[in-house]
Amino acid sequence: NAGVMQNPRHLVRRRGQEARLRCSPMKGHSHVYWYRQLPEEGLKFMVYLQKENIIDESGMPKERFSAEFPKEGPSILRIQQVVRGDSAAYFCASSAQQGWNTEAFFGQGTRLTVV
Amino acid sequence: KQEVTQIPAALSVPEGENLVLNCSFTDSAIYNLQWFRQDPGKGLTSLLLIQSSQREQTSGRLNASLDKSSGRSTLYIAASQPGDSATYLCAVRQDRDDKIIFGKGTRLHILP
Repeated sequence: NAGVMQNPRHLVRRRGQEARLRCSPMKGHSHVYWYRQLPEEGLKFMVYLQKENIIDESGMPKERFSAEFPKEGPSILRIQQVVRGDSAAYFCASSAQQGWNTEAFFGQGTRLTVV
Repeated sequence: KQEVTQIPAALSVPEGENLVLNCSFTDSAIYNLQWFRQDPGKGLTSLLLIQSSQREQTSGRLNASLDKSSGRSTLYIAASQPGDSATYLCAVRQDRDDKIIFGKGTRLHILP
């Protein structure tokens, strides 16, 4: 059972381009979280999804950012018209279900650099 | 709004010492608390998960405790080694919305 897979590991985009970050959860996991980390900072919650549903997107900017977790395939975090301030590490986590005994597992992250 | 605080922000100790990292949270309505380790430029590795009904969990040289009513957790590292140098993050999973909220971490440096 492979862990949480994120790709690409590194992504360079010019200002104004689109960035698409992919996250394949662990097998059997139906819950996905996306986080953003700036240098020397903690992880900031962005969005929480279950299959085909956005449960909570309160941490995601309303403009230019979107996320999906389709029935088939990976979860996608999409950033349109990127700006320099979007440069950060983006991590996703997956867990099996809601509740007290469910552990969250993280991917290695995608490091986005906007030039 | 849940706030997770980790103290200290950074810590340097000589190899071999025992040490304690602290985590506090403002809303005790949680499913569980998890401690993670993050090496520079890398992802997060889960160290220990404590369910809300539990008081502590142990894994090797690591022991994590949870006092849910007072909103506190500690991570105890015994006989520290240079390989323990990393950033340690604690995170709580809220039971009202299932969100996982992180502290800013403690940067630990073990001096050889």
